[in-house]
Amino acid sequence: DAGVIQSPRHEVTEMGQEVTLRCKPISGHDYLFWYRQTMMRGLELLIYFNNNVPIDDSGMPEDRFSAKMPNASFSTLKIQPSEPRDSAVYFCLSRGASNTEAFFGQGTRLTVV
Amino acid sequence: GQQLNQSPQSMFIQEGEDVSMNCTSSSIFNTWLWYKQDPGEGPVLLIALYKAGELTSNGRLTAQFGITRKDSFLNISASIPSDVGIYFCAGQNYGGATNKLIFGTGTLLAVQP
Repeated sequence: DAGVIQSPRHEVTEMGQEVTLRCKPISGHDYLFWYRQTMMRGLELLIYFNNNVPIDDSGMPEDRFSAKMPNASFSTLKIQPSEPRDSAVYFCLSRGASNTEAFFGQGTRLTVV
Repeated sequence: GQQLNQSPQSMFIQEGEDVSMNCTSSSIFNTWLWYKQDPGEGPVLLIALYKAGELTSNGRLTAQFGITRKDSFLNISASIPSDVGIYFCAGQNYGGATNKLIFGTGTLLAVQP
């Protein structure tokens, strides 16, 4: 398995544009978490899914953020419209039956100008 | 979002020195995890702890799950330059209602050869 795959690795966009971040979890894992990392706030949990169903989205900052997991092998995090304060590194975490089977992707560095 | 208090925030040490960092929470967890993040990468799991009082080692790393279940510490012995990075603790109530993995604020470690 190639591990958790996130795309793109880097995204630079203008304020007001729609941004879509993608994550392909490890095959067979049934949990997927989206985190946002900034210098000021550290690693913040945005939302997580269990068996493709959103379980807790209380960390999603506002209605501009949405996440979907249409199947076990793909999830998206969308920001519409994007704002400069959304600039951060967004990580996807894929987890299987135990925490020793939890792996982060390499992240997407988002810059909104 | 919820975060754990991790200290120190940063450490600048000489190669060969021992390092200690800790994490505290206002909530009880049944799982404590320690991760390391290298620049431009996602965090990587170092040690997982599942039982209050548990002491676990992984090479030069030793971590303990506090008796109160509200804290954990990580020790690194005889530090080397490749130990440089950001270390994160994470707490979780695995198997509970939420399964959320909550991260600490991070400890930046710099090792001077």
